[in-house]
Amino acid sequence: QKEVEQNSGPLSVPEGAIASLNCTYSDRGSQSFFWYRQYSGKSPELIMFIYSNGDKEDGRFTAQLNKASQYVSLLIRDSQPSDSATYLCAVNKWRNRDDKIIFGKGTRLHILP
Amino acid sequence: DGGITQSPKYLFRKEGQNVTLSCEQNLNHDAMYWYRQDPGQGLRLIYYSQIVNDFQKGDIAEGYSVSREKKESFPLTVTSAQKNPTAFYLCASGQGGVYEQYFGPGTRLTVT
Repeated sequence: QKEVEQNSGPLSVPEGAIASLNCTYSDRGSQSFFWYRQYSGKSPELIMFIYSNGDKEDGRFTAQLNKASQYVSLLIRDSQPSDSATYLCAVNKWRNRDDKIIFGKGTRLHILP
Repeated sequence: DGGITQSPKYLFRKEGQNVTLSCEQNLNHDAMYWYRQDPGQGLRLIYYSQIVNDFQKGDIAEGYSVSREKKESFPLTVTSAQKNPTAFYLCASGQGGVYEQYFGPGTRLTVT
């Protein structure tokens, strides 16, 4: 089982709709969860982080965490063409000085104008 | 401006040559990281450092070396022992522990 799994996509969503991106992780001891956006040829940009079960909202973005199901998601409301990018889910499994963030391979999102 | 800088943006080298990639941060972050990204492979951790003068191997450290003599700087050397060095190299920094990481703009290395 991969440590962080994402559907590679592409996920096509009409402009103005809600884009839902999903991620599962294998280590129950994981403590923090991140979503990065990466445009083609560019470096990843942090857009959300979440530590506790439940929802966290920031503008058009909502991160959802369910530790019991080992599942984290990102919702993008009112999707815009500029949201077209690859979204990387990342999970921190820091313990005993083993400081690592494990990244999924990313989901490609395409917003249809 | 606070941030992470990497230089150069593009780098071309002949096979058999060592090359050093620069990474500097002025965010006062304790931890710094090097990743490699290949198409379809996602991000893979090469080395990381949680404190000056200390660093740990990541998942793919073979053929790479690092140093952390200053808090602000974490250069990566790609040696001739690295079999497939052509890739997009990303440096990141953060407070370490459970906290988030921020990425520099990356260096695209091509070895022929």
